[in-house]
Amino acid sequence: DIVMTQSPDSLAVSLGERATINCKSSQSVLSRSDNRNYLAWYQQKPGQPPKKLISWASTRENGVPDRFTGSGSGTDFTLTISSLEAEDVAVYYCHQYYSTPPHTFGQGTKLEIK
Amino acid sequence: QVQLVESGGGVVQPGGSLRLSCAASGFIFSSYGIYWVRQAPGKGLEWVAYIRYDGSNKYYGDSVKGRFTISRDNSKNTVYLQMNSLRTEDTAMYYCAKDESGYSNWGQGTLVTVSS
Repeated sequence: DIVMTQSPDSLAVSLGERATINCKSSQSVLSRSDNRNYLAWYQQKPGQPPKKLISWASTRENGVPDRFTGSGSGTDFTLTISSLEAEDVAVYYCHQYYSTPPHTFGQGTKLEIK
Repeated sequence: QVQLVESGGGVVQPGGSLRLSCAASGFIFSSYGIYWVRQAPGKGLEWVAYIRYDGSNKYYGDSVKGRFTISRDNSKNTVYLQMNSLRTEDTAMYYCAKDESGYSNWGQGTLVTVSS
């Protein structure tokens, strides 16, 4: 199975500052057939289900603010929040959906306000 | 709009069984695979099972293989998760999610508690 490792486990950032979360997969999630990275990012707030923010490593879902940016390829990925807002406090997960299941998740990164 | 509604959770003793349901609406259900993902209290997300749009392929996580069975009824727009031989470590919120460029839509979840 592909192992997804996020860093850091928790992060405290001041309002208006940049937040960066990293995700590393144990093997490449870049498909040679369609040149797509099968990597998504989710945001989960307390008491709510996860919400998909980004798919294909860098494609923002409809309605997701443009302060959220996904980048990377192969085995190394990053979620960047350019200017942190109070509503962004949540746990963030990376997730690979490459090939046949199981589709593993990172352990999560808890983002708080400093 | 797309809606997924889980039901069937509850409290069960170790060794017992439960059947979860995921009722879908707002999209062509028979064209999409469905996943089950669980989350133990205070923990991260764990992938549980998947069924293809036509039910022809099913996959399970190692921790549930041989105990859980996923199925679907496209005439009822519903996916099921039959859970047998339940263990205390199966205690979690169980979510179903739609297969589209990752897991595009999630239900609110149904809570399963395995306790004596």
